[in-house]
Amino acid sequence: EVQLVQSGAEVKKPGESLKISCKGSGYSFTNYWIGWVRQMPGKGLEWMGIIYPDDSDTRYSPSFQGQVTISADKSISAAYLQWSSLKASDTAMYYCATSGIAVTGPGFDYWGQGTLVTVSS
Amino acid sequence: SYELTQPPSVSVSPGQTARITCSGDALPKQYGYWYQQKPGQAPVLVIYKDSERPSGIPERFSGSSSGTTVTLTISGVQAEDEADYYCQSADSSGTYWVFGGGTKLTVL
Repeated sequence: EVQLVQSGAEVKKPGESLKISCKGSGYSFTNYWIGWVRQMPGKGLEWMGIIYPDDSDTRYSPSFQGQVTISADKSISAAYLQWSSLKASDTAMYYCATSGIAVTGPGFDYWGQGTLVTVSS
Repeated sequence: SYELTQPPSVSVSPGQTARITCSGDALPKQYGYWYQQKPGQAPVLVIYKDSERPSGIPERFSGSSSGTTVTLTISGVQAEDEADYYCQSADSSGTYWVFGGGTKLTVL
């Protein structure tokens, strides 16, 4: 069974750094793209970027380029989303999701449960 | 940057057919995907490659494509189908993926 398990909710202050994780199991982690999606409170889904764990090929949405870092550690089947200096506007639910396991093409077939990040002074 | 356009809301009575459209310039070249999201839950893929249905998705969910528009159709809508629906695709190069703004489906 394919599973994506994300790290727990975080409460941080503006200016702090943060790295959240997404651990995959039940499939060959290195061979499928894994992406991150933001959902701000009461708003829609936003595609942030994707990474191919085998060679760490990474693509960012222009809206998120330079604002976050996506990485992966294939030795432990984990993907990460990182901020160096959080802002209040980073408050959101963040989902990781895989692409290409059950379906082909640029769509997400399996999703993590989400990580709620709250940034407040 | 590339955008996909959806209507903000669609309302139907139980048993009727709901159609949600999604427009984008690259849709003739790139497949469309549809997700259902209920409050407090992660999104669920309901249609991929314009018209394919993943395992476990009810047959009342179908998809189609015509030119720059893809459409999600829900036949015989049930109360449990009330949710937000998002389309998703890629730009013409396939490099950048994007979601539509979402459509709130209300079952009257």
